[in-house]
Amino acid sequence: DGGITQSPKYLFRKEGQNVTLSCEQNLNHDAMYWYRQDPGQGLRLIYYSQIVNDFQKGDIAEGYSVSREKKESFPLTVTSAQKNPTAFYLCASSVWTATPTFGSGTRLTVV
Amino acid sequence: AQTVTQSQPEMSVQEAETVTLSCTYDTSESDYYLFWYKQPPSRQMILVIRQEAYKQQNATENRFSVNFQKAAKSFSLKISDSQLGDAAMYFCAYRLSSGSARQLTFGSGTQLTVLP
Repeated sequence: DGGITQSPKYLFRKEGQNVTLSCEQNLNHDAMYWYRQDPGQGLRLIYYSQIVNDFQKGDIAEGYSVSREKKESFPLTVTSAQKNPTAFYLCASSVWTATPTFGSGTRLTVV
Repeated sequence: AQTVTQSQPEMSVQEAETVTLSCTYDTSESDYYLFWYKQPPSRQMILVIRQEAYKQQNATENRFSVNFQKAAKSFSLKISDSQLGDAAMYFCAYRLSSGSARQLTFGSGTQLTVLP
């Protein structure tokens, strides 16, 4: 079945560590997106990519980095510069003109 | 910059009754899409309904329909014959139809409770 796979479902990070969240899609979608969800704030865009080897900052990119080496993959790294990383992270993909499809998310907690 | 506002953090409805969730948005563009997404406790984002701004006819999907008022920049969702499975967080979202910045912009959400 085609879809978007995010892993892991739960992730724990120690202070000062970088962690990477995985997002893989087999839908042959060109565009991919990362959103952060905090209680009461909806979803905010971190980064998005329209094509391989190209990506753009969203509204809250500070403390995050991404890469897009393959069409199917768009990993998100939460760096130690992100001061409040505890949140729910959602990845999405779309054909550029179509409605995005979302993965099931990763819950990141700082311990 | 485009903004999306959902002014009702929480709503409740009796099972089998009708409820309307409100959404307003701000944009200077004329060609865009509007969406309602549902997020149940599993946190999976599920598309409920989509509206193209150039279409005057309101979109309908079974028990879900919208009231799209382009001049007023209003996009409300009506759920008829509410069911227990409709209980979820509902997000209104906006996206340009063309150009490089076609990412979704979301409202803050409305938590819907369905009472048996």
